[in-house]
Amino acid sequence: DAMVIQNPRYQVTQFGKPVTLSCSQTLNHNVMYWYQQKSSQAPKLLFHYYDKDFNNEADTPDNFQSRRPNTSFCFLDIRSPGLGDAAMYLCATSNALLAGGADEQFFGPGTRLTVL
Amino acid sequence: AQSVSQHNHHVILSEAASLELGCNYSYGGTVNLFWYVQYPGQHLQLLLKYFSGDPLVKGIKGFEAEFIKSKFSFNLRKPSVQWSDTAEYFCAVKPSGTYKYIFGTGTRLKVLA
Repeated sequence: DAMVIQNPRYQVTQFGKPVTLSCSQTLNHNVMYWYQQKSSQAPKLLFHYYDKDFNNEADTPDNFQSRRPNTSFCFLDIRSPGLGDAAMYLCATSNALLAGGADEQFFGPGTRLTVL
Repeated sequence: AQSVSQHNHHVILSEAASLELGCNYSYGGTVNLFWYVQYPGQHLQLLLKYFSGDPLVKGIKGFEAEFIKSKFSFNLRKPSVQWSDTAEYFCAVKPSGTYKYIFGTGTRLKVLA
């Protein structure tokens, strides 16, 4: 089945220790997204890639970086995790050939990050 | 700023009760509208979507939603809920011409058997 895969599902890191979360997709979608979701809150868009074009949200901290080496993979790097970065991180894709189209997003299962 | 409001944060219903979850958004232009569901332990998945045409949209598992443009609303309904509908429901809006989706805070639905 075509899908969005996130690894690891659970990640524990120490305060200030860099961590990388990964996302891969077999859908061949051109747009990939990273969201941060804290308990009882809406998923918050951090950034997205349209093909190789990186789009950062204005309020995404500099501590968060992303890489998309090819269509299938996208990484989220947190350079110096703080306690406030503990959250669920969701990766999603969409096939956005036309921006006006009602392309739905396909989500991965998420990575739950704990910061000690 | 663009935003999506889901006024019901927690809803508890008995099986066979009717469901309506509210969703309002703030954006003056053309939008695409979505409802996603997250069952316990599973990832977010699409329930239904609206992009144009008939404002009453039917989705999977007997869900439907009605787009009322004048009220900036896209409420989710189901005439008779089942225990298996226990999940968290998210409304999302995508302004036309963008790739950005704006999510509401979600509504946790618990259906009692």
